[in-house]
Amino acid sequence: EVQLVESGGGLAQPGGPLRLSCATSGFPFTSYVINWVRQAPGTGLEWVSAISGSGGSTYYANSVKGRFTISRDISKNTVFLQMSSLRDDDTAVYYCATSSRTFWYFDFWGRGTLVTVSS
Amino acid sequence: EIVLSQSPGTLSLSPGERATLSCRASQSVSSNSLAWYQQKPGQAPRLIIYDASNVATGSPERFSGSGSGTDFTLTISRLEPEDFAVYYCQQYSRSPLTFGGGTRVEIK
Repeated sequence: EVQLVESGGGLAQPGGPLRLSCATSGFPFTSYVINWVRQAPGTGLEWVSAISGSGGSTYYANSVKGRFTISRDISKNTVFLQMSSLRDDDTAVYYCATSSRTFWYFDFWGRGTLVTVSS
Repeated sequence: EIVLSQSPGTLSLSPGERATLSCRASQSVSSNSLAWYQQKPGQAPRLIIYDASNVATGSPERFSGSGSGTDFTLTISRLEPEDFAVYYCQQYSRSPLTFGGGTRVEIK
């Protein structure tokens, strides 16, 4: 069974950092792209970032480019999203989701972790 | 970027009725690279349709997708109680990946 479990969310200061994790199981980790998709309270969905199966290629939405960094630890089947210079409009539930190739649809989703940016 | 506009914003229907949801793209979506997701309160989205018309594994056959170019439709043939939710379309024709604003299907 495919499982994606996000963690690391919480309250962060504007301008500060936060690191999210996405622990995965139930599928060949290096064969799938892992994405982060976020949803601000009461609003729609926004694709944030993606990392290739090998970890050699990374992609970002313009809204987070230069502030967020995605990475993966193959030994732990885990993907990370390092967020810095956080802004109020980064407040959202962050989901990790799989896709079989980059810039594709999302097959499986985790339950999400809430990030709140506030002073 | 490709902007997706979903209509109506809210659809009020009774169980057993047919639901028709629209997703219109600002530019042509090549290769029918469009997906639909269902999201219930407090839950993650769930893939129900990919490549505009292919039903995802585990999704009931009452869900169907159609369309091409800039106009796409999600149809639920007969609404079941568990189908009342928000539905989003998403294009993967061109980077950045984008979603529509959603259609809420509520019980009338």
